[in-house]
Amino acid sequence: AQRVTQPEKLLSVFKGAPVELKCNYSYSGSPELFWYVQYSRQRLQLLLRHISRESIKGFTADLNKGETSFHLKKPFAQEEDSAMYYCAFYGGATNKLIFGTGTLLAVQP
Amino acid sequence: DTGVSQDPRHKITKRGQNVTFRCDPISEHNRLYWYRQTLGQGPEFLTYFQNEAQLEKSRLLSDRFSAERPKGSFSTLEIQRTEQGDSAMYLCASSEQGPNTEAFFGQGTRLTVV
Repeated sequence: AQRVTQPEKLLSVFKGAPVELKCNYSYSGSPELFWYVQYSRQRLQLLLRHISRESIKGFTADLNKGETSFHLKKPFAQEEDSAMYYCAFYGGATNKLIFGTGTLLAVQP
Repeated sequence: DTGVSQDPRHKITKRGQNVTFRCDPISEHNRLYWYRQTLGQGPEFLTYFQNEAQLEKSRLLSDRFSAERPKGSFSTLEIQRTEQGDSAMYLCASSEQGPNTEAFFGQGTRLTVV
């Protein structure tokens, strides 16, 4: 089945430490992968997409087809990065948007 | 506000009652999604529309759930004979058609079935 897997429910780091949020996908074609973020009391919003190869708020994500991964990284975490992060992709017969279960990033002062 | 809006924001209902939620997408978006989210879980796909056509409905969705998008604009999600297990946040999102398009989310409707 086509899915994304986020193995960590919670990732706790100290301010200034590096961050890596893991995402693995299961998809036979060329995936269109995204990271979405939900800050406290805010709606879910796009953080970045793999096709853009961009850095948003210091976060980057590289698609590794060999490892079928799309991990989200930031070299120095900030307290304002604390949020739920969801990996997502377009898949299935009708190309719908599918989400992983999410990882809560908690950045300690 | 030109974002996705959902109404109501909160709904408390007794078990067995019917409820209906509304979603107004961004006006030029032809894709509209409904998701359900429970505590500690990611958004779970329920159904989605391209214009007025319902393209897919999750097999997890019982026949108590129905969604419509009659003119390809706003959408409604109805749950008949609600059960306590239906308690969740119901999210709506819209996007343009095409690859790698961003989905824009509403703030959700929180349903509590008592």
